[in-house]
Amino acid sequence: DQQVKQNSPSLSVQEGRISILNCDYTNSMFDYFLWYKKYPAEGPTFLISISSIKDKNEDGRFTVFLNKSAKHLSLHIVPSQPGDSAVYFCAASDLSGNTPLVFGKGTRLSVIA
Amino acid sequence: EAGVAQSPRYKIIEKRQSVAFWCNPISGHATLYWYQQILGQGPKLLIQFQNNGVVDDSQLPKDRFSAERLKGVDSTLKIQPAKLEDSAVYLCASSFPARAAFSEQFFGPGTRLTVL
Repeated sequence: DQQVKQNSPSLSVQEGRISILNCDYTNSMFDYFLWYKKYPAEGPTFLISISSIKDKNEDGRFTVFLNKSAKHLSLHIVPSQPGDSAVYFCAASDLSGNTPLVFGKGTRLSVIA
Repeated sequence: EAGVAQSPRYKIIEKRQSVAFWCNPISGHATLYWYQQILGQGPKLLIQFQNNGVVDDSQLPKDRFSAERLKGVDSTLKIQPAKLEDSAVYLCASSFPARAAFSEQFFGPGTRLTVL
């Protein structure tokens, strides 16, 4: 049973446009959510996170939105750049750190110049 | 600051053979994790260490997988004997533990295992 779901395996966006990556979760115990970015032959790197007490967190070109009632979060990248092309993983845990990090399957983003 | 180091980067073995992976975490990071990432899936936690003690190994297939972190620094993950379905990237991560709070995990580049 997948507790964290990323239903779009891939996404193509033109350079300069907005990229929107979506993630759904099923476990109500999750209250901390993260996005990781992964380039080929490298490990995932932390991008941005949000706790359940917020509905939005912004860091430069990256914004994560959380809709707790829908158990849905999204990552917005504006403007998209070719260097953003990577696999993006949504992950969930709890703020206490007691729950192991659970990852989605990832979405491969291609930003076309 | 040096990142998480893993070796080897790639390994090809025949089924039923044994294999071992090594990880050296970021200096000062007491928590170490091993993840398995099968192609097309997200990373799945196999085992978590706090210093040299096991915190969580509930998803480790203990009939064939073992891991140790004897001195609380570097760690070894072993598969014996390997099966075809063990083909995956094995990721090591480390974190500086925060009291009663989520602590960011830093990942190594992974070891890609192919079992033929």
